[in-house]
Amino acid sequence: DTGVSQNPRHKITKRGQNVTFRCDPISEHNRLYWYRQTLGQGPEFLTYFQNEAQLEKSRLLSDRFSAERPKGSFSTLEIQRTEQGDSAMYLCASSTSGQGTRTEAFFGQGTRLTVV
Amino acid sequence: AQTVTQSQPEMSVQEAETVTLSCTYDTSESDYYLFWYKQPPSRQMILVIRQEAYKQQNATENRFSVNFQKAAKSFSLKISDSQLGDAAMYFCAYRSWTGNQFYFGTGTSLTVIP
Repeated sequence: DTGVSQNPRHKITKRGQNVTFRCDPISEHNRLYWYRQTLGQGPEFLTYFQNEAQLEKSRLLSDRFSAERPKGSFSTLEIQRTEQGDSAMYLCASSTSGQGTRTEAFFGQGTRLTVV
Repeated sequence: AQTVTQSQPEMSVQEAETVTLSCTYDTSESDYYLFWYKQPPSRQMILVIRQEAYKQQNATENRFSVNFQKAAKSFSLKISDSQLGDAAMYFCAYRSWTGNQFYFGTGTSLTVIP
């Protein structure tokens, strides 16, 4: 169990540029979540995958945001035409779908995006 | 959608003392999970403790314990014998039985005073 890995850890981009983040979940986890966290706030749900299927998207997720999880393994989150309001920590988490004891989400260290 | 409320933005505790962090939630479901996560500065979020709603017994993990009041929809975290390493943001989280997403509170920043 090597944990959830996110890359890059930090990204500074100019407004209007596109950015892509990657998340590698824990290998046996079939659920993968993306959250956004701004300073002083709790994580806000963006989207969720079960295996390769994107099953839920938040209304917060504008059409500039797209996420994929090909083959149900790693996931990417792309933000097109970035805006200053996109500056935040983007968190990835994974979990199993069972209803047993391993019900919690395991989080990565996050990607901190700064749009200048 | 479920909501999770943490009414204490900041708390402080003397080293070796006990502190309780509050959390309330709103749901119409009868089965669900509740969690407390710890997020140290610039570090990843880690699970502190978990409670299944169908269990009446309060969960305990070493120095961490919860007071789960299902009828009141309250889920507080008690940290005993506080240590400097306990200083962090603490988030209360709710997950429904089907687990499509986790809902988080706004967090409580805990300071441990030496």
